[in-house]
Amino acid sequence: GAVVSQHPSRVICKSGTSVKIECRSLDFQATTMFWYRQFPKKSLMLMATSNEGSKATYEQGVEKDKFLINHASLTLSTLTVTSAHPEDSSFYICSARKTGIGNSPLHFGNGTRLTVT
Amino acid sequence: GESVGLHLPTLSVQEGDNSIINCAYSNSASDYFIWYKQESGKGPQFIIDIRSNMDKRQGQRVTVLLNKTVKHLSLQIAATQPGDSAVYFCAEGMGVQGAQKLVFGQGTRLTINP
Repeated sequence: GAVVSQHPSRVICKSGTSVKIECRSLDFQATTMFWYRQFPKKSLMLMATSNEGSKATYEQGVEKDKFLINHASLTLSTLTVTSAHPEDSSFYICSARKTGIGNSPLHFGNGTRLTVT
Repeated sequence: GESVGLHLPTLSVQEGDNSIINCAYSNSASDYFIWYKQESGKGPQFIIDIRSNMDKRQGQRVTVLLNKTVKHLSLQIAATQPGDSAVYFCAEGMGVQGAQKLVFGQGTRLTINP
């Protein structure tokens, strides 16, 4: 159990366009999901906390108008990279924790490799 | 500040040997720690976790040790196998229970030599 699915796994887009990434918890409900970004050979950097039915909480330095997060249901959160630029090229990974469980591991999707040309 | 760091960026061990990966953290208020394994092009995979009221926890071939006095965390992998080759991250739980976010360390690349 505790499977997190991310789609697409890879996407290439042109500068100035927007890209939407979906994160689904397949066999559990998640009130909270987390979006991370990872550069090559680097660690995961938390971008924002996605809260079902309310606004996302962004980490310092992350532009909320650039990275739009919507958590419309207990099993789906989306990250939209708006007006993408080449520097937005990265590996984006979402994660989720089963609702109601405190100190427990986050379950991660397999990431989305975004390339902006 | 809040940080979770690792002493060694790379580690090579012979197949069958034991390996130890270390991690230092700076937030003494953190009460939950996790080790993840990440293979190339994939998301992190949970290995083992430990709460701050414990100093040792064992799983299958893995042991996590927590030393709160010196804010140090380690992952021991016994009888390493080729499939253990990956990048290992420690992560530190911060925030209110149920909404804790995880802050990741820099990662250690473990290579198992045949």
